[in-house]
Amino acid sequence: DTEVTQTPKHLVMGMTNKKSLKCEQHMGHRAMYWYKQKAKKPPELMFVYSYEKLSINESVPSRFSPECPNSSLLNLHLHALQPEDSALYLCASSQEGYGFRPPGMDTQYFGPGTRLTVL
Amino acid sequence: KQEVTQIPAALSVPEGENLVLNCSFTDSAIYNLQWFRQDPGKGLTSLLLIQSSQREQTSGRLNASLDKSSGRSTLYIAASQPGDSATYLCAHTGGGNKLTFGTGTQLKVEL
Repeated sequence: DTEVTQTPKHLVMGMTNKKSLKCEQHMGHRAMYWYKQKAKKPPELMFVYSYEKLSINESVPSRFSPECPNSSLLNLHLHALQPEDSALYLCASSQEGYGFRPPGMDTQYFGPGTRLTVL
Repeated sequence: KQEVTQIPAALSVPEGENLVLNCSFTDSAIYNLQWFRQDPGKGLTSLLLIQSSQREQTSGRLNASLDKSSGRSTLYIAASQPGDSATYLCAHTGGGNKLTFGTGTQLKVEL
């Protein structure tokens, strides 16, 4: 199984709502990532978890709150979002913990993404 | 800030044509260069990964080359098909396992 799954596929929320995005992998990968992708732009890294601990936060606003309950699951909790946060949110995973393998030796596997619209 | 530029931004070709997508990067200390395919509104599928010590990789009708000294990579697609229509992204790995993505080339292969 070389699949990363993401739910929901689509999400529409108001600026006062609280919602969560979910990402799951069963490949035994120890690093998981959240990316944000605006239309016709490349993905931008948001967070990296390694061995269930937050390794990188790319100065993401606190209205985005990541959580890694176990090695297979990664959540992104959303609260008080703005319309400009509307984007495709991609999850990825890689085999080794972040920084454990020589750089460039670990491939990231991407999920299909969640299309988020903030009204 | 490291930059990765892809030219052209969009490309439309007739079916059966051979084509080349270009990727330029400013970071001379990359560890690898990867090409991804992305269908509209979908996730990324890895096509080819070239380690910094390699010059090229091939998979089926796809061939990717890497010239670190000039900061360039190319993706060659032979005998293009309508199913090849997608956005193609190059990305390199610098420090740790951080991917820096290019601006993308949107390819359309017409019947």
